[in-house]
Amino acid sequence: GESVGLHLPTLSVQEGDNSIINCAYSNSASDYFIWYKQESGKGPQFIIDIRSNMDKRQGQRVTVLLNKTVKHLSLQIAATQPGDSAVYFCGNFQKLVFGTGTRLLVSP
Amino acid sequence: DGGITQSPKYLFRKEGQNVTLSCEQNLNHDAMYWYRQDPGQGLRLIYYSQIVNDFQKGDIAEGYSVSREKKESFPLTVTSAQKNPTAFYLCASSIGVDGGIYEQYFGPGTRLTVT
Repeated sequence: GESVGLHLPTLSVQEGDNSIINCAYSNSASDYFIWYKQESGKGPQFIIDIRSNMDKRQGQRVTVLLNKTVKHLSLQIAATQPGDSAVYFCGNFQKLVFGTGTRLLVSP
Repeated sequence: DGGITQSPKYLFRKEGQNVTLSCEQNLNHDAMYWYRQDPGQGLRLIYYSQIVNDFQKGDIAEGYSVSREKKESFPLTVTSAQKNPTAFYLCASSIGVDGGIYEQYFGPGTRLTVT
């Protein structure tokens, strides 16, 4: 069946660094992925999405890259700030399957 | 203010009791979803509804029931048959599902503790 997973449970960075959070998926038919940010005790917030006909999509300080050859997507956060500290997870909206999440810890 | 509301934020129940979690949206979305979130696990789909008076089981529907009598409301009942009901429950909605490509909006969640 379809699955998505994240590579690291925790990522620690310094304020101002760029952060890269990774996600892998299993089904080659997947065609719509979403990245969410979830702060402790709150519901997930949409960050950015990408369709399978795209390799890259940019938002404000965030970039998502999709590598269909190796079934991998990544979320890049530029100039990471303490307010970016949260759990980030990817999801396949077509299959309604989500990864376990990577906790991003940003030190001032 | 448009959005999804879930109430209450925290809910405590004794084992053997049924409990209903509320989810309301004023986004005029057709599709609504219920997920369960446990530590160290991704969101798992319990039920979803694409339209009023219709709903489908997700991956872990056993021990849960839903209704969709109104477009804006999708309550989830956790029955006494659910073996491990303590979890964080998230409701979401989207414009559509199944063939569409539509962002899901999540509510703030309800943390259910059953003792």
